[in-house]
Amino acid sequence: GQNIDQPTEMTATEGAIVQINCTYQTSGFNGLFWYQQHAGEAPTFLSYNVLDGLEEKGRFSSFLSRSKGYSYLLLKELQMKDSASYLCAVRLNQGGKLIFGQGTELSVKP
Amino acid sequence: GAVVSQHPSRVICKSGTSVKIECRSLDFQATTMFWYRQFPKKSLMLMATSNEGSKATYEQGVEKDKFLINHASLTLSTLTVTSAHPEDSSFYICSANRGNTGELFFGEGSRLTVL
Repeated sequence: GQNIDQPTEMTATEGAIVQINCTYQTSGFNGLFWYQQHAGEAPTFLSYNVLDGLEEKGRFSSFLSRSKGYSYLLLKELQMKDSASYLCAVRLNQGGKLIFGQGTELSVKP
Repeated sequence: GAVVSQHPSRVICKSGTSVKIECRSLDFQATTMFWYRQFPKKSLMLMATSNEGSKATYEQGVEKDKFLINHASLTLSTLTVTSAHPEDSSFYICSANRGNTGELFFGEGSRLTVL
């Protein structure tokens, strides 16, 4: 089966940096995605890694190590509006099917 | 703006009735769309892959006669929840790939409540 693990909850302080980890064991791999989801809304795309290394996009960065089956999402200069669920997802093949982890609920405190 | 549109955003129905949810790709053609289901405070569970012009591919444990999927055109996929029961109440989200960018775009989601 497919297995994608990430912490259930995290708490961080406004202005700080937080790292959300994701490990995966899947039957195929064609890219890893991070999405942000606010309660009651659809997920919005944050980042995509298919090669090893760091992808930076403003306050958000994502890292991938395919040999370790590991990724993290780094959020800098945290803002209150960053409080949301962060979903790690693996695309199994070029067909685009994504399998999601259980999501990490991030709470940003003042 | 949105690239995938989903309708309706909210629907309430009586037990035993059927509900249809539409998913449209805007300004691009999607030969494949994906339907997900999400329970409160849980992650997205892939239900099925909708294939234009052919039968949908269902994930293990998903009843194909219960969740009918039709992908009759390159811009529209529909999910029909047949003979709905209260346990079918959930958030249903569709998605589609645009081009070869790898990015999967999601619809706005449809919250179904079965009374």
